[in-house]
Amino acid sequence: SQKIEQNSEALNIQEGKTATLTCNYTNYSPAYLQWYRQDPGRGPVFLLLIRENEKEKRKERLKVTFDTTLKQSLFHITASQPADSATYLCALGNRAGNNRKLIWGLGTSLAVNP
Amino acid sequence: DTGVSQDPRHKITKRGQNVTFRCDPISEHNRLYWYRQTLGQGPEFLTYFQNEAQLEKSRLLSDRFSAERPKGSFSTLEIQRTEQGDSAMYLCASSNRTGKNEQFFGPGTRLTVL
Repeated sequence: SQKIEQNSEALNIQEGKTATLTCNYTNYSPAYLQWYRQDPGRGPVFLLLIRENEKEKRKERLKVTFDTTLKQSLFHITASQPADSATYLCALGNRAGNNRKLIWGLGTSLAVNP
Repeated sequence: DTGVSQDPRHKITKRGQNVTFRCDPISEHNRLYWYRQTLGQGPEFLTYFQNEAQLEKSRLLSDRFSAERPKGSFSTLEIQRTEQGDSAMYLCASSNRTGKNEQFFGPGTRLTVL
């Protein structure tokens, strides 16, 4: 069955350092992968999308890589700030068509300490 | 219209009662999704609408769950004969017809079944 794994442990880093979160998947060939941020008691908020034919995407302090051979995406937050503390979710999407369901990971909790 | 809204934000009910939740998506979005999320888990897909058509429903969803989107705008999710295991955050998301399938989430409805 399809499976997505994110960092199993919560991540604690010092302000200013780079946070790196991983998303690994099995038994799936996604057309794209998305990263979302979720704060306690709120719905997820979209951050970045990367397609299967893209290796890397950047947005301000965020960088995502996608390796379809390793079946892995890495999500980096550079120059991290306490405000970056949240849970980060990866989600995999299928090809175009009527199937628009996303498959979600469990999320990784990130704490940036001042 | 500034985002996806959900009503109510919180619902406490007794086991065996029926509950209904409402979701108002972003007005120009034709796709609407319902998810369920419990603590420490990622969103679990429940069902998906494109306009008024319900295109997919999770096999995990029992017959006690039903969703409608009668005019292709707002949607309702009804749970009949609630059970304690139904306690969760119910999230609604919408997206438009683009390749990104970026999903915009509402604040969620937290259901507690006593």
